[in-house]
Amino acid sequence: GAVVSQHPSRVICKSGTSVKIECRSLDFQATTMFWYRQFPKQSLMLMATSNEGSKATYEQGVEKDKFLINHASLTLSTLTVTSAHPEDSSFYICSAPYTGAGYTFGSGTRLTVV
Amino acid sequence: AQSVTQPDIHITVSEGASLELRCNYSYGATPYLFWYVQSPGQGLQLLLKYFSGDTLVQGIKGFEAEFKRSQSSFNLRKPSVHWSDAAEYFCAVGGGNNNDMRFGAGTRLTVKP
Repeated sequence: GAVVSQHPSRVICKSGTSVKIECRSLDFQATTMFWYRQFPKQSLMLMATSNEGSKATYEQGVEKDKFLINHASLTLSTLTVTSAHPEDSSFYICSAPYTGAGYTFGSGTRLTVV
Repeated sequence: AQSVTQPDIHITVSEGASLELRCNYSYGATPYLFWYVQSPGQGLQLLLKYFSGDTLVQGIKGFEAEFKRSQSSFNLRKPSVHWSDAAEYFCAVGGGNNNDMRFGAGTRLTVKP
């Protein structure tokens, strides 16, 4: 139980284009979704927290106009990287808390901007 | 916000030797603590977690961790390391005001034959 499905797993896009990453909770309602970014050989850094039906909250230093987060339903949260540049190339992963203080993670999206 | 420190960036052990990876946390209340393992290019795999109760937690793959409140620590141990344990290990603390999870910087484990 408590599965989050993340798509796509890999994406290559051209500089200046936008990319959307989806995280769906398959068997539970995810009222909250956390979005992380992991650069090579580094740790996971929390970018933002999305809550269903309200605006996302962003960590300090994360550009909210560049990383658009939408959490319109209890089972879907999306992260859109707008006007992507090579420095946005990274591993993006979502996570949702579920009953019992557990957390479930998506499988991650490796974004490469060329 | 809560935070996690993993003092060791890289550890090398011989196969069959014991292992201890250190983790210290900062959090005002009783933390939710986790250890994850990540192989190159892969996602996270949960090894074990602590919420409450017995402070010695058993996980998968023969790992265990002990929560020590007095030391604000949650060190990961394994009595005998296998070559397949070579990976990146992350300690994380959850809960917090926002119920979010924060990760330590990670410890890269190398296993010598």
